[in-house]
Amino acid sequence: QVQLQESGPGLVKPSETLSLTCTVSGASISSYYWCWIRQPPGKGLEWIGYMYSSGNIAYNPSLKSRVTISIDTSKNQFSLKLYSVTAADTAVYYCARRSTASGTVWFDPWGQGTLVTVSS
Amino acid sequence: EIVLTQSPGTLSLSPGERATLSCRASQSVSSSYLAWYQQKNGQAPRLLIYGASSRATGIPDRFSGSGSGTDFTLTISRLEPEDFAVYYCQQYGSSPITFGQGTRLEIK
Repeated sequence: QVQLQESGPGLVKPSETLSLTCTVSGASISSYYWCWIRQPPGKGLEWIGYMYSSGNIAYNPSLKSRVTISIDTSKNQFSLKLYSVTAADTAVYYCARRSTASGTVWFDPWGQGTLVTVSS
Repeated sequence: EIVLTQSPGTLSLSPGERATLSCRASQSVSSSYLAWYQQKNGQAPRLLIYGASSRATGIPDRFSGSGSGTDFTLTISRLEPEDFAVYYCQQYGSSPITFGQGTRLEIK
C-alpha cells in the first residue's frame, strides 16, 4: 500500500522560502510521477506541479516563476520549494502520486496534508 | 485555462436518496479527461472517478460518473451516511490542471 507523508515548517515568514518534503513508502519514487497540490483554508484545490524522476516536470503557470519540485531517489522523497511567499500562499499542502498512463493526470493516493501559514 | 463550475454549491439530501452533482467546463475537456474526488472534513481528497466514468480501486458501485465535452455528472445512487462530504471535479485535458470549486453534500 502506497503511503505519502508531508513534512516541513508550519510557519514561514513573508518573502522567505516555503520548503516541504514528501516521504513515499510502499512504492519506488523512480517509477511514478509525483505532485504537489494546495488548498487555502476553506477554499478549493490548486495544482502546483508534478515531476518524474527522469526530470520530466510541469508546473502551474500561475506559480511557475516561484516553484521548484525535486526528487531524491536515495531517500524515496520529493520536495517542494516555493519562493518569496506571501499570505496568499497560506494553505494545506498535499503531496500525491500522479497517474502513470500517458496523457492522464489524476491523483491517487494523497498524503494527509500539512498546513503552512505565512505570517511574520 | 479551463474553468470548472460545480453545481449546486450545497446539496441537502437524506440517506438513501440519490445525489446528482454537476461539473461544467468553460471549454470542451478533451478525451473526457475528468476526475472526481471526495473530501471529508480534515482529510485529504480521495479519488473516486477518472476518465469521466471509471471508478477508482475500492470505490463502491453506488458512485458513477458520466458526461463528455463540457458537461459531467457524478451520481451517488443511494446515499450512505459516510457519503456526506465535499466533492471536487478536476480536468486534465489541458494545462494547467484545474479543479472545480466543490459541491458540499450535507445531511438534510
